[in-house]
Amino acid sequence: DAKTTQPPSMDCAEGRAANLPCNHSTISGNEYVYWYRQIHSQGPQYIIHGLKNNETNEMASLIITEDRKSSTLILPHATLRDTAVYYCIVRLRGTSYGKLTFGQGTILTVHP
Amino acid sequence: GAGVSQSPSNKVTEKGKDVELRCDPISGHTALYWYRQSLGQGLEFLIYFQGNSAPDKSGLPSDRFSAERTGGSVSTLTIQRTQQEDSAVYLCASSFHRGTSGTTNTGELFFGEGSRLTVL
Repeated sequence: DAKTTQPPSMDCAEGRAANLPCNHSTISGNEYVYWYRQIHSQGPQYIIHGLKNNETNEMASLIITEDRKSSTLILPHATLRDTAVYYCIVRLRGTSYGKLTFGQGTILTVHP
Repeated sequence: GAGVSQSPSNKVTEKGKDVELRCDPISGHTALYWYRQSLGQGLEFLIYFQGNSAPDKSGLPSDRFSAERTGGSVSTLTIQRTQQEDSAVYLCASSFHRGTSGTTNTGELFFGEGSRLTVL
């Protein structure tokens, strides 16, 4: 799976949008971008994934650049409960799955 | 409940003892994964099951670690002769297998809350 690069930490004010970047310059054409987050003392939680089109669900939006070499996870109205480590992962969806390889992620801290 | 269940939630053991950690995946999920997370560290892949077989066990750190899955459901991770460096949170996850009819297959993993192992 392609390697990803994320900033180690970010801050955001409560109620504002949190924009978390991820670089995946070596992504191949059949690899998807997945985002997970891990709130303190809990297991990781799936947020969203995409291939090349922008995606939106009840939790977040995912913006993937046209060349697919980077993406941004957007939490439109961050709350204190969104404070967590956010992981950007690139993987082949059609494989017999195998492992997700987690990097160090971005520690997002949402301030009051 | 409907989620991935792990037990025990906490386990304290003495160095040299054997421990067993259990994972009960979401019903119908054919894929099962074990990860571990040491204090302040990222998630480290251990082993992956598809049904009862383990096509990828590349992350098991030593031969003291083993895992099995029976009936395509519950899995047990066993650590023999525990060492202090085995102290970590052991996380289990499950997912749908591609092609399972009548199910939504996003490829996402559903994680349990983990088993915290402390080796004294």
